[in-house]
Amino acid sequence: KQEVTQIPAALSVPEGENLVLNCSFTDSAIYNLQWFRQDPGKGLTSLLLIQSSQREQTSGRLNASLDKSSGRSTLYIAASQPGDSATYLCAHRRSYNTDKLIFGTGTRLQVFP
Amino acid sequence: KAGVTQTPRYLIKTRGQQVTLSCSPISGHRSVSWYQQTPGQGLQFLFEYFSETQRNKGNFPGRFSGRQFSNSRSEMNVSTLELGDSALYLCASSLAGNNEQFFGPGTRLTVL
Repeated sequence: KQEVTQIPAALSVPEGENLVLNCSFTDSAIYNLQWFRQDPGKGLTSLLLIQSSQREQTSGRLNASLDKSSGRSTLYIAASQPGDSATYLCAHRRSYNTDKLIFGTGTRLQVFP
Repeated sequence: KAGVTQTPRYLIKTRGQQVTLSCSPISGHRSVSWYQQTPGQGLQFLFEYFSETQRNKGNFPGRFSGRQFSNSRSEMNVSTLELGDSALYLCASSLAGNNEQFFGPGTRLTVL
């Protein structure tokens, strides 16, 4: 069974801190990996997509890396803000012929002023 | 460009009833996937459709079914509802291939 674990499960930090969220996967077949955020009771918002041939992607204050050999991805959030408070989920696809995402357990982030 | 839309947003049903949820993908997207999200199990894959064909199915009982129409809109149906079916049902669409997936706001189903 493919498992995706996210550490920490919850995080509470003051505004302005730089954060690292971790995603570990046991599956060796990684086609691409996507990071999402989810606000309470809402759908998922895509943050970054990393193809298996890439090592990292950046968007604004967000940077995601992918290391297939170690089975890890990290999401780096620079200069955190209260608006970043949400649950962050990583998910990967196994191959090109399926859009099925295998989701991690999520990290609940709270950034306080 | 409009995002993924799901209707209805909220639904309350009683045990034994059946329900149909609808998903309209982003214009031009031909791939639609469905997920169930519960506090205990997290996000679990239900099924995916591409060009009206089911490509993949998750580990759910046969009470859960779906289909996709020629305009790429998709519906999922749950028959003989159980209390454990209470969840947020999310739909995602993509251009398929190695592209990014986009999710709708979800349908919150409550079974009483």
